[in-house]
Amino acid sequence: DIQMTQSPSSLSASVGDRVTVACRASQSISTYLNWYQQKPGKAPKLLIYAASSLQSAVPSRFSGSGSGTDFTLTISSLQPEDFATYYCQQSYSTPYTFGQGTKLEIK
Amino acid sequence: QVQLVESGGGVVQPGRSLRLSCAASGFTFTNYAMHWVRQAPGKGLEWVAVISYAGTNKYYADPVKGRFTISRDNSKNTLFLQMNSLRVDDTAVYYCATEGGRNAFDIWGRGTMVTVSS
Repeated sequence: DIQMTQSPSSLSASVGDRVTVACRASQSISTYLNWYQQKPGKAPKLLIYAASSLQSAVPSRFSGSGSGTDFTLTISSLQPEDFATYYCQQSYSTPYTFGQGTKLEIK
Repeated sequence: QVQLVESGGGVVQPGRSLRLSCAASGFTFTNYAMHWVRQAPGKGLEWVAVISYAGTNKYYADPVKGRFTISRDNSKNTLFLQMNSLRVDDTAVYYCATEGGRNAFDIWGRGTMVTVSS
């Protein structure tokens, strides 16, 4: 199975900050890497697919990059509604494993 | 309106069975592979199972292999998860999701809670 490791596990930031979350795969997954946002009590929401493609209706302050084993999610200017937990996921091969999550909190 | 609605969750004793349903609307269900993903209380997301658009191919996570069965009824736009021999550690919110571009999960239901407890 492919293991996905996110860093950091939690992050404190302020509105307007630029934030980066990292995700590393235990083997190469090309660009089969997706990012999701989840707010408490809600279903996850797809933000980025194929490592860098922005899902429809997702604000352009979200971006993704990387290929192979190392990936990043960047939020260019944090907004109040962005405080949530973020998960990466590999969709290269089953089981489609998720990272452990990064909780983004208000400083 | 594109929508997935899960149902069938509840409280069940260890060793018993439960069948979850996921009703799809607002899109062509038969065009999509479908997944189940679960989330234990306070924990992260865990992929559970996938079924191809025609229902011919199915894959499972190791913790549920041999106990859970994924199926679909394309005539009724509905996905199922039959859960047998339930364990306490199967306690979670269960989400269904569609597989979109590059196998990403682009439509999610709100989830249904399954509690396994004696």
